Amino acid sequence: TQLLEQSPQFLSIQEGENLTVYCNSSSVFSSLQWYRQEPGEGPVLLVTVVTGGEVKKLKRLTFQFGDARKDSSLHITAAQPGDTGLYLCAGAYSNAGNMLTFGGGTRLMVKP
Amino acid sequence: DADVTQTPRNRITKTGKRIMLECSQTKGHDRMYWYRQDPGLGLQLIYYSFDVKDINKGEISDGYSVSRQAQAKFSLSLESAIPNQTALYFCATSDSGLSTGELFFGEGSRLTVL
Repeated sequence: TQLLEQSPQFLSIQEGENLTVYCNSSSVFSSLQWYRQEPGEGPVLLVTVVTGGEVKKLKRLTFQFGDARKDSSLHITAAQPGDTGLYLCAGAYSNAGNMLTFGGGTRLMVKP
Repeated sequence: DADVTQTPRNRITKTGKRIMLECSQTKGHDRMYWYRQDPGLGLQLIYYSFDVKDINKGEISDGYSVSRQAQAKFSLSLESAIPNQTALYFCATSDSGLSTGELFFGEGSRLTVL
């Protein structure tokens, strides 16, 4: 079983602050996805990264894939209360048939 | 209407009872999955199916069974529910033709076993 560690597990910040969430593995990913889950709903895909060193931006969210494709980060600039939710990274490993393994999630609360 | 629909959304049952969670999708995807979510553990794969006649065990299949009745329907059964199966269960779909492998999730079924 592949292990995918996500940190921090919980994060409570004030509106306007910046934050970074990390996703790490000892194995190489063939691709990595970030999902956001709001209470009472299923996770929704935010982004997929495939190439080592890749950076993708989605409004105030910046996603980076490590050069070695073993880690990824999600940076949120000027967080807003609407960013509150559970953020999940999910890695696909080629030796696991590209099935996704999910990290434990980061629960973010942004206070107004 | 949701593309991936789960029923029931909430269920409380007693130890030893048989429970079925149902999932239907209108996305036309060939692949379907059942995940379990516990706080701090992310999503753990229970079973998955790449086509109607295809059933595969995931990480935590013990105590669960599934049936892929049609391409659009995938049900999860707990033959004899136990309290540590109390969790939030998600059905998901994906399209094998999409290179991203994006999963589309239902809204979840919260199961409580007393």
